[in-house]
Amino acid sequence: LAKTTQPISMDSYEGQEVNITCSHNNIATNDYITWYQQFPSQGPRFIIQGYKTKVTNEVASLFIPADRKSSTLSLPRVSLSDTAVYYCLVASNQAGTALIFGKGTTLSVSS
Amino acid sequence: EPEVTQTPSHQVTQMGQEVILRCVPISNHLYFYWYRQILGQKVEFLVSFYNNEISEKSEIFDDQFSVERPDGSNFTLKIRSTKLEDSAMYFCASRNSYEQYFGPGTRLTVT
Repeated sequence: LAKTTQPISMDSYEGQEVNITCSHNNIATNDYITWYQQFPSQGPRFIIQGYKTKVTNEVASLFIPADRKSSTLSLPRVSLSDTAVYYCLVASNQAGTALIFGKGTTLSVSS
Repeated sequence: EPEVTQTPSHQVTQMGQEVILRCVPISNHLYFYWYRQILGQKVEFLVSFYNNEISEKSEIFDDQFSVERPDGSNFTLKIRSTKLEDSAMYFCASRNSYEQYFGPGTRLTVT
């Protein structure tokens, strides 16, 4: 399983765009990049998934360069409620595949 | 929106006792998972389950642990003889095509 590296923590203010970059140098051809969010004492929640280029949904965008060795999660105009831990995961999309979580990035949003 | 539910929300047990943690996955999902998170640490994969058998398990999932789908809706994790180090949040998850949906967790406290 590809190992991921992401910043331990980030700080931001309400209304700013936040970009969290994750490196995954050993990503395999059939691996997808997935981001999850976790609030204290809650289960992780899926944010977005991509394979290459750019993916956008109602909450975030995911940018993946051509070599796929890194990815960037972009959160537009964060609010206080976006304070959470964000996990970058790399795994195949085969059903039954375990998600291997790292320590994630703790994002703190202030007013 | 359908969700994964878990009971109980908090379980306190004495060392050496057996505990059963219960989960109701989303109804049309076929793949089920258990994860745990020791306080302040990362989310750790325990086991995945499909078609009434274990698909994959981690080193944590030793002979003290077992999983079962006793009927069409419940998915259970049993710890045969609890240890102090089993104290953690236990999350159940189920999967559709690519996204794992996590439940709210059961906080297990072993005294």
